[in-house]
Amino acid sequence: QVQLQESGPGLVKPSQTLSLTCTVSGGSISSGTYYWNWIRQPAGRGLEWIGRIYTSGNTDYNASLKSRVTMSLDTSKNQCSLKLSSATAADTAMYFCARAVGSGYDFRFDPWGQGTLVTVSS
Amino acid sequence: DIQMTQSPSSVSSSVGDRVTITCRASQDIRSWLAWYQQKPGKAPKLLIYAASSLQSGVPSRFSGSGSGTDFTLTITSLQPEDFATYYCQQAKSLPLTFGGGTKVEIK
Repeated sequence: QVQLQESGPGLVKPSQTLSLTCTVSGGSISSGTYYWNWIRQPAGRGLEWIGRIYTSGNTDYNASLKSRVTMSLDTSKNQCSLKLSSATAADTAMYFCARAVGSGYDFRFDPWGQGTLVTVSS
Repeated sequence: DIQMTQSPSSVSSSVGDRVTITCRASQDIRSWLAWYQQKPGKAPKLLIYAASSLQSGVPSRFSGSGSGTDFTLTITSLQPEDFATYYCQQAKSLPLTFGGGTKVEIK
C-alpha cells in the first residue's frame, strides 16, 4: 500500500524559504490520476489546505498563500516538494502531505503522511 | 471560499453513547464532503467520503449523511478508541476547506 513520509528542516529562520519533501513508497508518484497535496496545522488548531500538484505537474494553490508557494514533482525520486518563501512565525505548523483520490463526489485525502513539524524562529 | 462550520466544537460522552456531529457549508456542496478522525500527534484518518460512503476498514458504527449544506457524522456506541477530534472537508471548489473540528472527550 502507498505510504507517504514528509522530511525537511524543523527550524527555519524568518524571511527564509521553508522547503519540505514528501517521499512516496509502495507505488509510483506518476501513475494513476492522483493529486499530491500539502496541508498544514498550527498547534492546537485546524487544518489548512496549501495546494496540490497533479501527476501531470499542473498545480493549484490556496490563494491565501499563492504568492509564496511552489510545488513540484521529482518522478525519478518518487517525491513531491513544497517551497514556501518569506516564512514568518505564522507559518509555524505541522505540515502533512496527502494523496487525493477521486474526481467527483468521491474526492478525498487518503493516505496521509505522519507530518513534520516546522518552526519559524530566529 | 466555502466556509465549513462544525458543531459542537467539543462534546463529552461515555463509552456506548451515540454521538452526532454536524457540519454546515456556506454554500451548496452537493455530496462533496469527507470526514476525518485525528488523534493527538497523528495525521488525520479518512472515515467517510461522498458524504455517506464508508472508507474500507472503518468500523460500521461510523456513518455519514446529508447533502447540500447540512451534513452529519454519527458514531453509534462510542468506543474508547473513538475519542479524538473529527473534521469535515469540502471538495466542491478550491480552496479545499475543512471545518474547525469537533473534539469528542471522555465524560
